[in-house]
Amino acid sequence: NFMLTQPHSVSESPGKTVTISCTRSSGSIASNYVQWYQQRPGSSPTTVIYEDNDRPSGVPDRFSGSIDSSSNSASLTISGLKTEDEADYYCQSYDDSNAVFGGGTQLTVL
Amino acid sequence: QLLLQESGPGLVKPSETLSLTCTVSGVSITSSSYYWGWIRQPPGKGLDWIGSIYYSGSTYYNPSLKSRVTISVDTSKNQFSLKLSSVTAADTAVFYCARHVRCSKCEIDFWGRGTLVTVSS
Repeated sequence: NFMLTQPHSVSESPGKTVTISCTRSSGSIASNYVQWYQQRPGSSPTTVIYEDNDRPSGVPDRFSGSIDSSSNSASLTISGLKTEDEADYYCQSYDDSNAVFGGGTQLTVL
Repeated sequence: QLLLQESGPGLVKPSETLSLTCTVSGVSITSSSYYWGWIRQPPGKGLDWIGSIYYSGSTYYNPSLKSRVTISVDTSKNQFSLKLSSVTAADTAVFYCARHVRCSKCEIDFWGRGTLVTVSS
């Protein structure tokens, strides 16, 4: 089994760019797709990135995803930060036996 | 419009079995390429995948919960269900039903609103 490790929290100012990392503990990050979910307080998660770097319709292009095999990690980048982006963000991937979520990153836009 | 709605008791006693049902509306649960899953979130904590099922009845479970989990499907009612046995306080969580796209553990594109289940005597 593997784990996905995210920073507990990040903060940045409106209009700036923030990147949230997600490091896979074992197995290649490139072997299975990575998704990113946004969860606002009191709400269900919603997808902001799927299959490493695709955006669902309705998600602004300020959100982008990437993977880096050298660090075995995935990243979510949010540019032009808005106060409405303040939320928890979870990465998710899988292997043959399990689906795994990262521990979540609390994004504060201040 | 797809809607997933969880239902079941909000309070379960320790050592008993937690039972939840997810009613799917707006799409047939027998649609190909979709798997139907359960995820839980303890209060103030992160997401934990429990497992998923295909309409044919094929199931996929989190290895850490496999011995206590049963997921089933009722295509006639467009529902799928979760049973978690021998619960303890550590199983207290918001339980979400959800739809996986493309594979049993792939992207989740729709989530239910979630239902809080508390384990307490």
